[in-house]
Amino acid sequence: DGGITQSPKYLFRKEGQNVTLSCEQNLNHDAMYWYRQDPGQGLRLIYYSQIVNDFQKGDIAEGYSVSREKKESFPLTVTSAQKNPTAFYLCASTGGTSYNEQFFGPGTRLTVL
Amino acid sequence: DAKTTQPPSMDCAEGRAANLPCNHSTISGNEYVYWYRQIHSQGPQYIIHGLKNNETNEMASLIITEDRKSSTLILPHATLRDTAVYYCIVRASGSARQLTFGSGTQLTVLP
Repeated sequence: DGGITQSPKYLFRKEGQNVTLSCEQNLNHDAMYWYRQDPGQGLRLIYYSQIVNDFQKGDIAEGYSVSREKKESFPLTVTSAQKNPTAFYLCASTGGTSYNEQFFGPGTRLTVL
Repeated sequence: DAKTTQPPSMDCAEGRAANLPCNHSTISGNEYVYWYRQIHSQGPQYIIHGLKNNETNEMASLIITEDRKSSTLILPHATLRDTAVYYCIVRASGSARQLTFGSGTQLTVLP
């Protein structure tokens, strides 16, 4: 089945450690996105990539980094510079004949202790 | 992208139609209205989108006013599994631009 996978579903890290969240899609989509969601809030865009080896900052990119070396993969690193990293992180993709619809992964809930 | 305004919460009886309103008074001519929903602790799910004509699919109907300043998402026979946060988003179609999510409407379907 085609879709987006994010791993792990739950992640715990100590304060000051960098952590990388995985996002993989087999939909052959060109564009991929990372969003952050805090309790009771909507989604906010962190980074997005419209094509391999290219990405742009979203509204809240500070303290985060990404790479897009392969079309299928768009990992997000939460660095120690991110002041409040505990949140629900969602990856999405769109492309092909589906630019009107973003497909979302199941999300990773990161807790920094 | 135009900003949208939605009520924070609504209730609906199971089996009845759920009508979720959205105001988007600053929408421009090339912007579409999109609806997504998010069940608790899951990724959002696309429901439907439209430009100016009413749209219907297997999940819902979208009614857009003639002046396009507001719209209503209709779930014709709500079930308990429709309990979710519903987001109304306005964006130009056919692009890889990101979606801008507001706070949405928490729809609770009551048994």
